[in-house]
Amino acid sequence: AQTVTQSQPEMSVQEAETVTLSCTYDTSESDYYLFWYKQPPSRQMILVIRQEAYKQQNATENRFSVNFQKAAKSFSLKISDSQLGDAAMYFCAYRSPGDDKIIFGKGTRLHILP
Amino acid sequence: DTAVSQTPKYLVTQMGNDKSIKCEQNLGHDTMYWYKQDSKKFLKIMFSYNNKELIINETVPNRFSPKSPDKAHLNLHINSLELGDSAVYFCASSQDFGSGTGELFFGEGSRLTVL
Repeated sequence: AQTVTQSQPEMSVQEAETVTLSCTYDTSESDYYLFWYKQPPSRQMILVIRQEAYKQQNATENRFSVNFQKAAKSFSLKISDSQLGDAAMYFCAYRSPGDDKIIFGKGTRLHILP
Repeated sequence: DTAVSQTPKYLVTQMGNDKSIKCEQNLGHDTMYWYKQDSKKFLKIMFSYNNKELIINETVPNRFSPKSPDKAHLNLHINSLELGDSAVYFCASSQDFGSGTGELFFGEGSRLTVL
């Protein structure tokens, strides 16, 4: 069964600094999707960034970028120039082509220090 | 115009009652989901429907029954509510794997509190 592991329950970063959130996953599939979602206190789930496994190029969305290491099954999220509004729970997620499940990690709570 | 909407957003009820949460999406997606987020923020899939057909049914008590009258709607009915059912329930939709961009589009969540 596929699993998604986020090993950092909580992290803190100084405003304007860079932080990296870790995610590893386990799968035997070769094609799949990976996502990072943000959940601020409002509880709305917001897509931050997506990566298709067959694409070697790392996805980037403004200050957010990923380091996708397919062989290592690692998918970390880098947030540059951290802002107060980045404070939230961040969830890594995996979508399987087979049973089409979308599985979430347990989340990392990110604090931004002013 | 809200893409995935669920009602009610908040629900407070007594143990033993029956309650329903409704979900509608206007994105034209074929697949809809129910996720449960517990007090530790863990998101667990409960059910998935593809074009009104049940596809995923995780280990969920029989007291939970999803219903999809059409592919734009997925409702969740819960019988005989228990304290442990208190959580936030998220509805979501997506295109089929390999179509579109692959991600889930979430509703705002329905916070259920059982007293």
